[in-house]
Amino acid sequence: NAGVTQTPKFQVLKTGQSMTLQCAQDMNHEYMSWYRQDPGMGLRLIHYSVGAGITDQGEVPNGYNVSRSTTEDFPLRLLSAAPSQTSVYFCASSYSVGPPEAFFGQGTRLTVV
Amino acid sequence: GEDVEQSLFLSVREGDSSVINCTYTDSSSTYLYWYKQEPGAGLQLLTYIFSNMDMKQDQRLTVLLNKKDKHLSLRIADTQTGDSAIYFCAETSGGSSASKIIFGSGTRLSIRP
Repeated sequence: NAGVTQTPKFQVLKTGQSMTLQCAQDMNHEYMSWYRQDPGMGLRLIHYSVGAGITDQGEVPNGYNVSRSTTEDFPLRLLSAAPSQTSVYFCASSYSVGPPEAFFGQGTRLTVV
Repeated sequence: GEDVEQSLFLSVREGDSSVINCTYTDSSSTYLYWYKQEPGAGLQLLTYIFSNMDMKQDQRLTVLLNKKDKHLSLRIADTQTGDSAIYFCAETSGGSSASKIIFGSGTRLSIRP
């Protein structure tokens, strides 16, 4: 069981470039979400999905797009990278019932120069 | 709106007890969590408590919930060097909406010899 897999682990982008952070889970979880982690600010929710074909905005959605065409995958797209998007990004997934324990990927460290 | 607050740093002597505190604002929170993040890694669930409980004990971990004051604490008995990490308090509301886990800023626990 691989759990939640994020790629790449590290990325450097130039301002204005676009890219997609990949997230895949093999636990058949319905819920998936993206967070960004900045020093002293904890994790802030960017976008989340309650199932294939359904996405919604979190606390800090601007500059990011998501889609959920399959249960397994939940990619995060940066449309035009800005230095303010330099952060560590975490993908998480969980079941829809019971204590909703979220399983996290290892993170993607993104630097925008 | 939902908000979770915790102090940023805690330093304890090896063998002593660590107490990490957290306050939250959403009185409808269903579950409250403690996650642990080791350097360079994602978050791992340590323990959780259902909102109708006052206390939960799991080996060296004790969680206390004061629902009236919206205060949650995590006590780690006999703190070891392996407990050095960032500890995040988190809450969910609305029952099964696991994707909307709201995290605090994290408390960095350091252990003195």
